[in-house]
Amino acid sequence: DAMVIQNPRYQVTQFGKPVTLSCSQTLNHNVMYWYQQKSSQAPKLLFHYYDKDFNNEADTPDNFQSRRPNTSFCFLDIRSPGLGDAAMYLCATSSTLQGQETQYFGPGTRLLVL
Amino acid sequence: AQTVTQSQPEMSVQEAETVTLSCTYDTSESNYYLFWYKQPPSRQMILVIRQEAYKQQNATENRFSVNFQKAAKSFSLKISDSQLGDTAMYFCAFVYNQGGKLIFGQGTELSVKP
Repeated sequence: DAMVIQNPRYQVTQFGKPVTLSCSQTLNHNVMYWYQQKSSQAPKLLFHYYDKDFNNEADTPDNFQSRRPNTSFCFLDIRSPGLGDAAMYLCATSSTLQGQETQYFGPGTRLLVL
Repeated sequence: AQTVTQSQPEMSVQEAETVTLSCTYDTSESNYYLFWYKQPPSRQMILVIRQEAYKQQNATENRFSVNFQKAAKSFSLKISDSQLGDTAMYFCAFVYNQGGKLIFGQGTELSVKP
């Protein structure tokens, strides 16, 4: 089945130690998104790639960066995680080529910062 | 400003009964897409139902249906024959441009009781 895959599902890192979260998709969608979701809150968009074009939200901290080496993969890099970065990170995809705007989400990676 | 408001932080319903979750939104756009997503305790964000703003007919998906009132900017979700597996956080959201970000409401925590 076509899907959005996130690895790992759980990630524990130390304060200040760089960490990378990964997302892959078999949907062949041209747009990929990274959302941060804290407990009991709605997801908050960090940035997204529209094809190869990177779009950063104005309030996304510089500590967060992303890479999209090809259509299928997208990475979220946190350069120096702080305690406040502990959250669920959700990857999503959508296709503007198919004329619909539905975003499909992966299962998420729960990040714990010690 | 584009906003989504879910005025019911928590709701409960007996199994097999019907429940309606409210959602209002504000946008100056004329064409947009509305969604209800379900997020169970596993935290996977699952699409429940989708509505194109230019379509007058209300979307339905099995036990799930919406009441879309464009003039009133209202988009409520009705769940019929509620099941225990419907217990989850429900988010109302919309997007108004291709490859754009989802704008989420605050969520409604639904509990289905046996």
